[in-house]
Amino acid sequence: KNQVEQSPQSLIILEGKNCTLQCNYTVSPFSNLRWYKQDTGRGPVSLTIMTFSENTKSNGRYTATLDADTKQSSLHITASQLSDSASYICVVMGNDMRFGAGTRLTVKP
Amino acid sequence: DAGVIQSPRHEVTEMGQEVTLRCKPISGHNSLFWYRQTMMRGLELLIYFNNNVPIDDSGMPEDRFSAKMPNASFSTLKIQPSEPRDSAVYFCASSLFGPDHSGANVLTFGAGSRLTVL
Repeated sequence: KNQVEQSPQSLIILEGKNCTLQCNYTVSPFSNLRWYKQDTGRGPVSLTIMTFSENTKSNGRYTATLDADTKQSSLHITASQLSDSASYICVVMGNDMRFGAGTRLTVKP
Repeated sequence: DAGVIQSPRHEVTEMGQEVTLRCKPISGHNSLFWYRQTMMRGLELLIYFNNNVPIDDSGMPEDRFSAKMPNASFSTLKIQPSEPRDSAVYFCASSLFGPDHSGANVLTFGAGSRLTVL
């Protein structure tokens, strides 16, 4: 079983709408959690890094939350744009890096 | 900085042929990672180097895969002989630190090399 589970697997929303992506993990020990955005045909690009003591971190229209007690993280995208269409990968750092399978987001006009 | 540079971007080859993928990390980064990405398995770490030395190659699928880093600015991933199940996108990434627990350790990925083995 993957130690990093992401949901939903895919998501389609209309431009301008908000959405929330989920990441649940069982990685232990836990050091930090990162969200990456991967555009089609490109490598992943880091959006946020959250350490154990951080609950919320924003990067423009992206807001990541972390609950280290329940081992859950979310990535909230506000006022979505067509350019947000991509895969979003949750990566948890423990003794090594564990990757989630990603959520494929499609934003339609 | 041009970022992490990978070549070729696309390669189509026949089963049994040798494949060599190349990577130039970001100047000044001391860690380099090779990943493989497929629809079925997502991103998988194959091997990583720290200061040009292979640290963990436990992700390398089998002896057909080998990786080298002769200097700080160049690495290769070789598959010999290639098989259809090797078809995937291979990413190279580099970072300023090793895969430690530092929150400052951000991986910068290259654009990937899409390999198709017929």
